[in-house]
Amino acid sequence: DGGITQSPKYLFRKEGQNVTLSCEQNLNHDAMYWYRQDPGQGLRLIYYSQIVNDFQKGDIAEGYSVSREKKESFPLTVTSAQKNPTAFYLCASSIGQGQPQHFGDGTRLSIL
Amino acid sequence: GQQLNQSPQSMFIQEGEDVSMNCTSSSIFNTWLWYKQDPGEGPVLLIALYKAGELTSNGRLTAQFGITRKDSFLNISASIPSDVGIYFCAGPAYSGAGSYQLTFGKGTKLSVIP
Repeated sequence: DGGITQSPKYLFRKEGQNVTLSCEQNLNHDAMYWYRQDPGQGLRLIYYSQIVNDFQKGDIAEGYSVSREKKESFPLTVTSAQKNPTAFYLCASSIGQGQPQHFGDGTRLSIL
Repeated sequence: GQQLNQSPQSMFIQEGEDVSMNCTSSSIFNTWLWYKQDPGEGPVLLIALYKAGELTSNGRLTAQFGITRKDSFLNISASIPSDVGIYFCAGPAYSGAGSYQLTFGKGTKLSVIP
């Protein structure tokens, strides 16, 4: 089945540590996205990529970094500079910008 | 940037009741999307609308693309416990340099009382 796979489902980070969240898609989509969702909140865009080797900051990029070396993969690194990283992180992909996005099942990040 | 306003923010209904929620924008949209997010999961696309006035159904769900192109409505008939979740509207908003970015409402949280 085609889809988006996020891993791990749950992740714990120690203070001062960088962690990387994985996102892989086999839908052959050009565009990929990372969102952050806090309890009772909507989706806030962290980074997006329209094509391989290119990505743009979203509304809340500070403390995060991404790479897009392959079409299928768009990993997100939560750096130690992100002071409030506890949240639910969602990855999505679409055929192109402005098109319906398909989401993974999310990664819940917590601080130890 | 452009914002989508969803209402209500949350609702509690009795099983079997019909549900209605809406989404409005200050700008015109050419596409309206409705997603559902189950607890602890990612949002899933329910219905996509591409034409003003369009009425589209997906089982017990019906969505409409408002004539003004600034609003959309989602109705759920005869609600059941598995309808519980957060419903998001979304639409492509112009983000400059000829590109569009999908903008999401903040969601309507639905609780169904058995």
